[in-house]
Amino acid sequence: GNSVTQMEGPVTLSEEAFLTINCTYTATGYPSLFWYVQYPGEGLQLLLKATKADDKGSNKGFEATYRKETTSFHLEKGSVQVSDSAVYFCALKGSYKLIFGSGTRLLVRP
Amino acid sequence: NAGVMQNPRHLVRRRGQEARLRCSPMKGHSHVYWYRQLPEEGLKFMVYLQKENIIDESGMPKERFSAEFPKEGPSILRIQQVVRGDSAAYFCASSEDSGENQPQHFGDGTRLSIL
Repeated sequence: GNSVTQMEGPVTLSEEAFLTINCTYTATGYPSLFWYVQYPGEGLQLLLKATKADDKGSNKGFEATYRKETTSFHLEKGSVQVSDSAVYFCALKGSYKLIFGSGTRLLVRP
Repeated sequence: NAGVMQNPRHLVRRRGQEARLRCSPMKGHSHVYWYRQLPEEGLKFMVYLQKENIIDESGMPKERFSAEFPKEGPSILRIQQVVRGDSAAYFCASSEDSGENQPQHFGDGTRLSIL
């Protein structure tokens, strides 16, 4: 069946450091891929998405590229801020269901 | 606020009571999804509804749980005779249609605590 695997957290970085959060998936067909962010006590906000191979999603300095050959959708940001501290979820959507990874907590220190 | 609205934000129930969670989708959205998030875990799909119809309830426990999305009013997730293991955050999402490329927009969730 479809599944998503994310790197375990927490990931702790200093402000302005480079961020990578790894995400790989297993799926039949060609699902759409998403990154969501969850701030404490809140719901999930869509961060970015990609709908086909080699698509790059980007938003607020975050980027992720849909790599079919490696079944990956790694999240990157060149320079993180304290306000980026949150839990990040990678997800795939094969039909109407979102299938989530377990989340990666990011802590950014000033 | 035109986003997905869930209430209550926090709900405390004693074992054996009923919990009723409400979700109003974004304006113009007729597709509603419920997910459950256990502590330190990702979200797990529970049920998908369109107006007056349950499309897929494969992620919902067969007993004690039910969901509806009536023609008028919010979607309701109902848990009867709650147990400690029902303690979780329950999130509702909505979308304009169910296409693969359509993102789902989430509410802020209801955090259910069972005493």
